[in-house]
Amino acid sequence: GAVVSQHPSRVICKSGTSVKIECRSLDFQATTMFWYRQFPKQSLMLMATSNEGSKATYEQGVEKDKFLINHASLTLSTLTVTSAHPEDSSFYICSARDNRLAGQISSTDTQYFGPGTRLTVL
Amino acid sequence: AQSVTQLDSHVSVSEGTPVLLRCNYSSSYSPSLFWYVQHPNKGLQLLLKYTSAATLVKGINGFEAEFKKSETSFHLTKPSAHMSDAAEYFCVVSDRGDSSYKLIFGSGTRLLVRP
Repeated sequence: GAVVSQHPSRVICKSGTSVKIECRSLDFQATTMFWYRQFPKQSLMLMATSNEGSKATYEQGVEKDKFLINHASLTLSTLTVTSAHPEDSSFYICSARDNRLAGQISSTDTQYFGPGTRLTVL
Repeated sequence: AQSVTQLDSHVSVSEGTPVLLRCNYSSSYSPSLFWYVQHPNKGLQLLLKYTSAATLVKGINGFEAEFKKSETSFHLTKPSAHMSDAAEYFCVVSDRGDSSYKLIFGSGTRLLVRP
Protein backbone atom coordinates (compact mmCIF):
# COMPACT_ATOMS: atom_id res chain seq x y z
CA GLY A 1 0.00 0.00 0.00
CA ALA A 2 0.85 3.73 0.12
CA VAL A 3 1.66 4.23 -3.55
CA VAL A 4 1.92 7.70 -5.07
CA SER A 5 2.03 8.27 -8.80
CA GLN A 6 3.01 11.28 -10.85
CA HIS A 7 2.19 12.15 -14.43
CA PRO A 8 3.94 12.85 -16.66
CA SER A 9 7.28 11.35 -15.73
CA ARG A 10 9.07 13.59 -18.19
CA VAL A 11 8.03 16.70 -20.09
CA ILE A 12 9.79 19.03 -22.48
CA CYS A 13 8.15 22.33 -23.31
CA LYS A 14 8.88 25.63 -24.95
CA SER A 15 9.58 28.75 -22.96
CA GLY A 16 6.39 30.64 -22.15
CA THR A 17 4.07 27.65 -22.09
CA SER A 18 2.37 26.16 -19.05
CA VAL A 19 2.84 22.63 -17.80
CA LYS A 20 0.58 20.66 -15.47
CA ILE A 21 1.90 17.86 -13.27
CA GLU A 22 -0.45 15.47 -11.50
CA CYS A 23 0.16 13.70 -8.21
CA ARG A 24 -2.15 10.89 -7.15
CA SER A 25 -2.35 8.73 -4.06
CA LEU A 26 -3.44 5.37 -5.47
CA ASP A 27 -4.51 3.34 -2.46
CA PHE A 28 -5.06 5.87 0.30
CA GLN A 29 -6.55 9.27 0.89
CA ALA A 30 -4.35 12.26 1.45
CA THR A 31 -5.67 15.48 2.94
CA THR A 32 -2.21 16.91 2.66
CA MET A 33 0.23 16.64 -0.21
CA PHE A 34 3.56 18.34 -0.69
CA TRP A 35 5.46 19.60 -3.72
CA TYR A 36 9.25 19.63 -3.86
CA ARG A 37 11.80 20.55 -6.47
CA GLN A 38 15.24 19.08 -6.74
CA PHE A 39 18.13 20.49 -8.75
CA PRO A 40 20.85 18.13 -9.98
CA LYS A 41 22.96 16.66 -7.21
CA GLN A 42 21.05 18.64 -4.58
CA SER A 43 18.56 17.88 -1.89
CA LEU A 44 14.82 18.34 -2.03
CA MET A 45 13.41 21.79 -1.36
CA LEU A 46 9.81 22.08 -0.22
CA MET A 47 7.85 24.41 -2.47
CA ALA A 48 4.38 24.23 -1.03
CA THR A 49 1.91 22.28 1.05
CA SER A 50 -1.27 21.35 -0.77
CA ASN A 51 -4.41 21.02 1.37
CA GLU A 52 -7.55 19.40 0.03
CA GLY A 53 -10.32 21.91 -0.33
CA SER A 54 -8.28 24.94 0.63
CA LYS A 55 -5.48 27.13 -0.63
CA ALA A 56 -1.96 25.86 -0.76
CA THR A 57 0.66 27.13 1.64
CA TYR A 58 3.80 28.28 -0.14
CA GLU A 59 7.30 28.37 1.24
CA GLN A 60 9.18 31.63 1.36
CA GLY A 61 10.53 32.62 -2.02
CA VAL A 62 8.16 30.46 -4.06
CA GLU A 63 5.91 32.45 -6.40
CA LYS A 64 2.33 31.34 -5.90
CA ASP A 65 1.23 32.86 -9.20
CA LYS A 66 3.87 30.94 -11.08
CA PHE A 67 3.39 27.59 -9.39
CA LEU A 68 -0.35 27.03 -9.18
CA ILE A 69 -1.46 24.21 -6.92
CA ASN A 70 -4.90 22.66 -6.86
CA HIS A 71 -5.93 19.87 -4.49
CA ALA A 72 -9.43 19.14 -5.68
CA SER A 73 -9.88 15.69 -4.17
CA LEU A 74 -8.43 13.49 -1.47
CA THR A 75 -6.34 11.61 -4.02
CA LEU A 76 -5.23 14.25 -6.50
CA SER A 77 -3.09 17.37 -6.37
CA THR A 78 -1.85 19.24 -9.43
CA LEU A 79 1.05 21.63 -9.89
CA THR A 80 0.91 23.96 -12.88
CA VAL A 81 4.08 25.76 -13.86
CA THR A 82 2.82 28.85 -15.66
CA SER A 83 4.80 30.66 -18.33
CA ALA A 84 7.70 28.28 -17.85
CA HIS A 85 11.26 29.47 -18.42
CA PRO A 86 14.52 27.53 -18.67
CA GLU A 87 15.34 28.30 -15.03
CA ASP A 88 12.22 26.33 -14.06
CA SER A 89 13.78 23.18 -15.45
CA SER A 90 14.08 20.79 -12.54
CA PHE A 91 12.93 17.52 -11.04
CA TYR A 92 9.57 18.00 -9.35
CA ILE A 93 8.53 15.48 -6.71
CA CYS A 94 5.28 15.23 -4.81
CA SER A 95 4.52 13.41 -1.60
CA ALA A 96 1.35 12.53 0.22
CA ARG A 97 0.63 12.10 3.88
CA ASP A 98 -1.44 9.04 4.67
CA ASN A 99 -4.73 10.10 6.33
CA ARG A 100 -4.99 6.74 8.01
CA LEU A 101 -2.29 7.89 10.41
CA ALA A 102 -4.25 11.00 11.38
CA GLY A 103 -5.17 11.12 15.03
CA GLN A 104 -3.00 8.21 16.02
CA ILE A 105 -0.86 8.79 19.05
CA SER A 106 2.01 7.23 17.21
CA SER A 107 1.42 9.22 14.03
CA THR A 108 4.71 9.33 12.27
CA ASP A 109 4.02 12.06 9.74
CA THR A 110 5.19 9.59 7.15
CA GLN A 111 5.10 10.91 3.64
CA TYR A 112 5.09 8.70 0.58
CA PHE A 113 6.80 10.07 -2.48
CA GLY A 114 5.94 9.96 -6.13
CA PRO A 115 8.52 8.95 -8.75
CA GLY A 116 9.09 12.54 -9.84
CA THR A 117 8.62 14.57 -13.01
CA ARG A 118 11.57 15.81 -15.02
CA LEU A 119 10.70 19.20 -16.53
CA THR A 120 12.89 20.62 -19.26
CA VAL A 121 12.06 24.08 -20.60
CA LEU A 122 13.71 24.96 -23.89
CA ALA B 1 13.89 25.31 14.38
CA GLN B 2 14.70 21.97 12.93
CA SER B 3 17.72 21.07 10.86
CA VAL B 4 19.56 18.03 9.63
CA THR B 5 23.26 17.66 8.91
CA GLN B 6 24.61 14.80 6.86
CA LEU B 7 28.27 14.80 7.59
CA ASP B 8 29.49 13.15 4.41
CA SER B 9 28.51 14.14 0.89
CA HIS B 10 30.04 10.93 -0.50
CA VAL B 11 30.80 7.56 1.05
CA SER B 12 32.60 4.82 -0.85
CA VAL B 13 32.72 1.21 0.35
CA SER B 14 33.62 -2.14 -1.12
CA GLU B 15 30.89 -4.69 -1.72
CA GLY B 16 30.43 -6.87 1.35
CA THR B 17 31.84 -4.32 3.81
CA PRO B 18 29.82 -2.33 6.39
CA VAL B 19 28.07 0.92 5.56
CA LEU B 20 27.84 3.93 7.87
CA LEU B 21 26.03 7.09 6.80
CA ARG B 22 26.09 9.79 9.44
CA CYS B 23 23.30 12.16 10.38
CA ASN B 24 22.92 14.71 13.15
CA TYR B 25 19.72 16.59 13.79
CA SER B 26 18.45 19.59 15.66
CA SER B 27 14.86 19.77 16.80
CA SER B 28 13.00 21.88 19.31
CA TYR B 29 10.44 19.23 20.13
CA SER B 30 10.07 15.52 19.81
CA PRO B 31 11.39 14.61 16.40
CA SER B 32 10.40 11.95 13.97
CA LEU B 33 13.43 10.87 11.97
CA PHE B 34 13.55 9.13 8.63
CA TRP B 35 16.01 7.79 6.13
CA TYR B 36 15.00 7.83 2.48
CA VAL B 37 16.89 6.40 -0.50
CA GLN B 38 16.79 7.79 -4.02
CA HIS B 39 18.09 5.93 -7.04
CA PRO B 40 19.04 8.00 -10.13
CA ASN B 41 16.09 9.85 -11.66
CA LYS B 42 13.70 8.13 -9.29
CA GLY B 43 11.50 9.21 -6.43
CA LEU B 44 12.25 8.57 -2.79
CA GLN B 45 11.75 5.29 -0.98
CA LEU B 46 11.36 5.12 2.78
CA LEU B 47 14.06 2.96 4.36
CA LEU B 48 13.09 3.35 7.99
CA LYS B 49 11.64 5.76 10.54
CA TYR B 50 11.97 6.60 14.22
CA THR B 51 8.95 7.80 16.16
CA SER B 52 9.88 7.55 19.87
CA ALA B 53 9.44 3.83 20.28
CA ALA B 54 12.55 1.62 20.11
CA THR B 55 15.75 3.59 19.64
CA LEU B 56 17.19 0.95 17.30
CA VAL B 57 15.10 0.95 14.16
CA LYS B 58 15.24 -1.76 11.56
CA GLY B 59 14.34 -0.94 7.99
CA ILE B 60 14.19 -2.56 4.61
CA ASN B 61 17.07 -4.17 2.72
CA GLY B 62 19.07 -4.84 5.88
CA PHE B 63 19.45 -1.20 6.93
CA GLU B 64 19.06 -0.02 10.49
CA ALA B 65 19.55 3.21 12.41
CA GLU B 66 19.98 4.08 16.05
CA PHE B 67 18.46 7.17 17.64
CA LYS B 68 20.87 8.66 20.18
CA LYS B 69 19.31 11.63 21.90
CA SER B 70 22.45 12.51 23.88
CA GLU B 71 24.41 12.78 20.63
CA THR B 72 21.48 14.10 18.54
CA SER B 73 22.40 11.49 15.97
CA PHE B 74 20.55 9.05 13.76
CA HIS B 75 23.24 7.23 11.80
CA LEU B 76 22.30 4.66 9.14
CA THR B 77 24.16 1.36 9.02
CA LYS B 78 24.20 -1.89 7.10
CA PRO B 79 26.48 -4.84 7.90
CA SER B 80 27.31 -5.73 4.31
CA ALA B 81 26.98 -3.46 1.28
CA HIS B 82 25.50 -4.70 -1.96
CA MET B 83 26.03 -3.20 -5.38
CA SER B 84 22.34 -2.33 -5.53
CA ASP B 85 22.75 -0.09 -2.46
CA ALA B 86 24.54 2.53 -4.55
CA ALA B 87 22.23 5.55 -4.41
CA GLU B 88 21.61 8.89 -2.72
CA TYR B 89 20.50 8.73 0.91
CA PHE B 90 18.62 11.48 2.73
CA CYS B 91 18.24 11.89 6.46
CA VAL B 92 15.00 13.70 7.25
CA VAL B 93 13.49 15.20 10.39
CA SER B 94 9.92 16.12 11.17
CA ASP B 95 8.63 17.80 14.28
CA ARG B 96 5.75 15.75 15.67
CA GLY B 97 4.50 18.84 17.46
CA ASP B 98 4.21 20.75 14.19
CA SER B 99 0.83 20.34 12.57
CA SER B 100 2.23 21.35 9.20
CA TYR B 101 3.92 17.92 8.94
CA LYS B 102 6.80 19.43 7.02
CA LEU B 103 9.87 17.35 6.37
CA ILE B 104 13.31 18.90 6.62
CA PHE B 105 15.85 17.19 4.39
CA GLY B 106 19.56 16.80 4.85
CA SER B 107 21.84 17.56 1.94
CA GLY B 108 22.19 13.91 1.06
CA THR B 109 24.98 11.34 1.01
CA ARG B 110 25.90 9.55 -2.18
CA LEU B 111 26.86 5.95 -1.48
CA LEU B 112 29.26 4.36 -3.95
CA VAL B 113 29.80 0.59 -3.78
CA ARG B 114 32.96 -0.77 -5.37
CA PRO B 115 33.01 -4.33 -6.73
